[in-house]
Amino acid sequence: GIQVEQSPPDLILQEGANSTLRCNFSDSVNNLQWFHQNPWGQLINLFYIPSGTKQNGRLSATTVATERYSLLYISSSQTTDSGVYFCAPRKGGSEKLVFGKGTKLTVNP
Amino acid sequence: ETGVTQSPTHLIKTRGQQVTLRCSSQSGHNTVSWYQQALGQGPQFIFQYYREEENGRGNFPPRFSGLQFPNYSSELNVNALELDDSALYLCATKPRGGANVLTFGAGSRLTVL
Repeated sequence: GIQVEQSPPDLILQEGANSTLRCNFSDSVNNLQWFHQNPWGQLINLFYIPSGTKQNGRLSATTVATERYSLLYISSSQTTDSGVYFCAPRKGGSEKLVFGKGTKLTVNP
Repeated sequence: ETGVTQSPTHLIKTRGQQVTLRCSSQSGHNTVSWYQQALGQGPQFIFQYYREEENGRGNFPPRFSGLQFPNYSSELNVNALELDDSALYLCATKPRGGANVLTFGAGSRLTVL
């Protein structure tokens, strides 16, 4: 099956800093979502981005499907950005999202 | 609030027991998937239901089973519980005819003693 690697595994920032999270995947995909999991376990969809670039406020994401990677950018980080960020691509013809192990982000005041 | 409601939020069982977890979603979401998330790991796909039929399954044994009802609510049943079944169980739904985007509930945290 498809393999998903996320980096870095852990990231500690001061409030106001910018960061880039990376997701590499081993096969062609036709669907990719980025999620934020808060400390209570809730998975919040950030982006549906099988290709191209999208922006939503301080967050943006880029997927280059031909090179099998996706990036999540967080600018001017806030303490509420803390949590685990997951990338989850889906291969064509498959019903399942395949999650990486996530990047744990801690934003300190 | 995502519109996907799971119950119970927390529960404790002992080895060998059976558990039923429930999921309901907003109107028009006719596809439901279940995922298991062990501590420190990403969620893993258990199975998916569409129009009350299972149409995809991950690498989980048959003691993990499910149902989807005509109102698109769903149940996950786990028989003969094992210690390794301790995890957060997440339900996700997808709207009919809409974008291929999954929306997750807040999960049910199961502890098996």
